[in-house]
Amino acid sequence: AQSVSQHNHHVILSEAASLELGCNYSYGGTVNLFWYVQYPGQHLQLLLKYFSGDPLVKGIKGFEAEFIKSKFSFNLRKPSVQWSDTAEYFCAVGGSSASKIIFGSGTRLSIRP
Amino acid sequence: DGGITQSPKYLFRKEGQNVTLSCEQNLNHDAMYWYRQDPGQGLRLIYYSQIVNDFQKGDIAEGYSVSREKKESFPLTVTSAQKNPTAFYLCASSTPGLPYNEQFFGPGTRLTVL
Repeated sequence: AQSVSQHNHHVILSEAASLELGCNYSYGGTVNLFWYVQYPGQHLQLLLKYFSGDPLVKGIKGFEAEFIKSKFSFNLRKPSVQWSDTAEYFCAVGGSSASKIIFGSGTRLSIRP
Repeated sequence: DGGITQSPKYLFRKEGQNVTLSCEQNLNHDAMYWYRQDPGQGLRLIYYSQIVNDFQKGDIAEGYSVSREKKESFPLTVTSAQKNPTAFYLCASSTPGLPYNEQFFGPGTRLTVL
């Protein structure tokens, strides 16, 4: 079955700490992978995406993610978080030719100023 | 400005009433989607449409209905058959056929059934 797992439901960090949010997926075939972010009171927006090429992808606001095919993972990282990174983060996966994408349950990130 | 609009932002209805949520996009996207967001459950797909006059059920379609008469519009009706309708509803659109299928989201409608 196709699925996305985000194991961290709520992460609390202090400013300047490093961040890694886990994402594992189960999906047959070639995948497109996404991280979306939902800041408080704002639209869900794309943070970064992978569809081919370099497995290390860089997104907005200093975020990056690495696609490790052998581990079916697409973890999100940021070397030094800021208070403004407080948000909910969603990992998602879709097929290269599919219209639908599947979302994980989300990780709420709280940053202590 | 190109984007997706959803109205209203907040909606209150009495139990047993049908209610229709609006979603309009001016991005010229072919595909549109409706998701339901509940705390701790992420986004779950209700219905999606890849082209005008065609739509498919998602994972949690029971108690919901949609129509796609125009490319720009994809209204969602929450019927009285939906057992737990109180939730945050998100509409999205995309253009399938690109190398990747990025979806663009509207601001959402929070529905509360009293």
